[in-house]
Amino acid sequence: QSVLTQPPSASGTPGQRVTISCSGSSSNIGRNTVNWYQQLPGTAPKLLIYDNNQRPSGVPDRFSGSKSGTSASLAISGLQSEDEADYYCATWDDRLKRVFGGGTKLTV
Amino acid sequence: EVQLVESGGGLVQPGGSLRLSCAASGITVSSNYMSWVRQAPGRGLEWVSIIYDNGNTYYADSLKGRFTVSRDNSRNTVSLHMNSLGAEDAALYYCARVLILNSPNDAFDVWGQGTMVAVSS
Repeated sequence: QSVLTQPPSASGTPGQRVTISCSGSSSNIGRNTVNWYQQLPGTAPKLLIYDNNQRPSGVPDRFSGSKSGTSASLAISGLQSEDEADYYCATWDDRLKRVFGGGTKLTV
Repeated sequence: EVQLVESGGGLVQPGGSLRLSCAASGITVSSNYMSWVRQAPGRGLEWVSIIYDNGNTYYADSLKGRFTVSRDNSRNTVSLHMNSLGAEDAALYYCARVLILNSPNDAFDVWGQGTMVAVSS
């Protein structure tokens, strides 16, 4: 049971916009920034969003992140079949240090 | 290009020990924060440990002092020594480079392909 709560699954059709939520508390998301990772099937995780809404070089601008209070969201617009993956939020927790959400499996 | 290659995984008996290694290329491990993250089969990601550029080390509380992270500057590698292994430690162990943000925030921006640890008698 993670301190960051994500929906276990999400789905969308090609071209749609989907959002994945990440709910935390004042000891983690409420006072720290959020990162998002994408894990394609059978591969290592990849940093998708850092510092709430920053994209590393090479990440398409279809991916965007936001944070409000003790929750964060990852939005994917213009959904593509290759976006089918597991997505994890992560942040610093005052007690547990570095924590991940339980992950959301996105089906396209 | 930055590349991280893990090795050392395998099958170990309950209560046994194992040493994982992460060989880096394209970066100098002693100038970076380096971390270990694990993923049990079919489960999510779990942060394990980190070693800072100044040599300070930190661990997930759940490990209860059984793991030790170190580095070999001459070989540009980071190691994870694991003792008293149990079924709960069976996982794919990833080495990751840490992108430093505004303290205490950071992110894992480069990942290896992982090395598998199985615990069974």
